[in-house]
Amino acid sequence: EVQLVQSGAEVKKPGESLRISCEGSGYSFSNYWMGWVRQMPGKGLEWLGIIYPGDSDTRYDPSFQGRVTISADKSISTAYLQWSSLKPADTAVYYCAVRGSSDAFDIWGQGTTVTVSS
Amino acid sequence: SSELTQDPAVSVALGQTVRITCQGDSLRKYYASWYQQKPGQAPVLVIYDKNNRPSGIPDRFSGSNSGNTASLTISGAQAEDEADYYCNSRDSSENRYVFGTGTKVTVL
Repeated sequence: EVQLVQSGAEVKKPGESLRISCEGSGYSFSNYWMGWVRQMPGKGLEWLGIIYPGDSDTRYDPSFQGRVTISADKSISTAYLQWSSLKPADTAVYYCAVRGSSDAFDIWGQGTTVTVSS
Repeated sequence: SSELTQDPAVSVALGQTVRITCQGDSLRKYYASWYQQKPGQAPVLVIYDKNNRPSGIPDRFSGSNSGNTASLTISGAQAEDEADYYCNSRDSSENRYVFGTGTKVTVL
């Protein structure tokens, strides 16, 4: 069974750093693009960026370039989303999702809730 | 980056048909995929490559595309179809993507 398991909820203070993870199983992790999606409270889905774990080729939405970093460790089938200095506006649920052989994100993680508050 | 625009909300009577539209320039070049999201849950892919359904998605869901508009049709809507629906496509830039603004579907 293809599955994405994300790390647990986080509560952080403004200015702190954070890395959340997404572990893939049941498929060839290195060979499929992995995307990250943000959903702020009560709002819609926003596409942050995507990484190809095989060679770490990464693309960002211009709105998030420089604000987050996407990475992957193919040796442990895990992708990451990280912040160097969190802001309250980063409070959201973050999803990882695999882009399958079609041009769509067909498997999603369960989501990681990030809360940034002083 | 490109934008994909959806109507904020639509309603449909139980058993009737509803169509959700998604407009954007990127749809002239790329197919849309559609995602269903119920409260507190992760999105689920329901249509990809314009009109293909993943395994387990009922055949009452169908997709179409014309010019700069993609559509998701639910034929014979059921109570369990009440959810938010989002379209998604590649952006005009290579290997970047954009989501639509989302449509809340209410089944009456």
